[in-house]
Amino acid sequence: AQSVTQLDSQVPVFEEAPVELRCNYSSSVSVYLFWYVQYPNQGLQLLLKYLSGSTLVKGINGFEAEFNKSQTSFHLRKPSVHISDTAEYFCAVKDGGTSYGKLTFGQGTILTVHP
Amino acid sequence: DGGITQSPKYLFRKEGQNVTLSCEQNLNHDAMYWYRQDPGQGLRLIYYSQIVNDFQKGDIAEGYSVSREKKESFPLTVTSAQKNPTAFYLCASSIAASGSGPYNEQFFGPGTRLTVL
Repeated sequence: AQSVTQLDSQVPVFEEAPVELRCNYSSSVSVYLFWYVQYPNQGLQLLLKYLSGSTLVKGINGFEAEFNKSQTSFHLRKPSVHISDTAEYFCAVKDGGTSYGKLTFGQGTILTVHP
Repeated sequence: DGGITQSPKYLFRKEGQNVTLSCEQNLNHDAMYWYRQDPGQGLRLIYYSQIVNDFQKGDIAEGYSVSREKKESFPLTVTSAQKNPTAFYLCASSIAASGSGPYNEQFFGPGTRLTVL
């Protein structure tokens, strides 16, 4: 079964600084990878996804992530954060292929952007 | 606008009572899911349904029940057998539960926060 580890439970950063949120998953032949964002007391919104093709994936709100198969990682980055990026971020992984596979979530990383 | 609605947003229940959480989608998705979210634990899958009149247990199904009588609806009942029901519950849907990548993207509702008094 897949497992997902988000290496930092909390990341504080100043406004306009760069940020990286780290995500590692257990090895598999092929995977689909997702980053979601959750604002307080709301549902999850998809930031970006890797399904196939280019390993550098760009998403909404200026975020991007790089799929690294050899390191089984899918770290999320933003070159300059805003106060409005304060939220909780979840990495999720699903085994590739066409059969049913569960979407496994990491424990979440709380990003706090300070003025 | 297409999307997923969950109601109510906040729900309070006395111990020993069953309660049903509503989830409706108008995305014409075949697959629907229920997750439970607790602080620091991410999302855990309770039940999922790949098609109408069919559903399977997820990782933490004990104390919960579901039905899928209509494509657009997937209500979750939290029974009195659930020992620690206070949590944030999220419903999601996807085009399908299997198939190639794009079919697997899950869309989430706004959630229901259940508190047991």
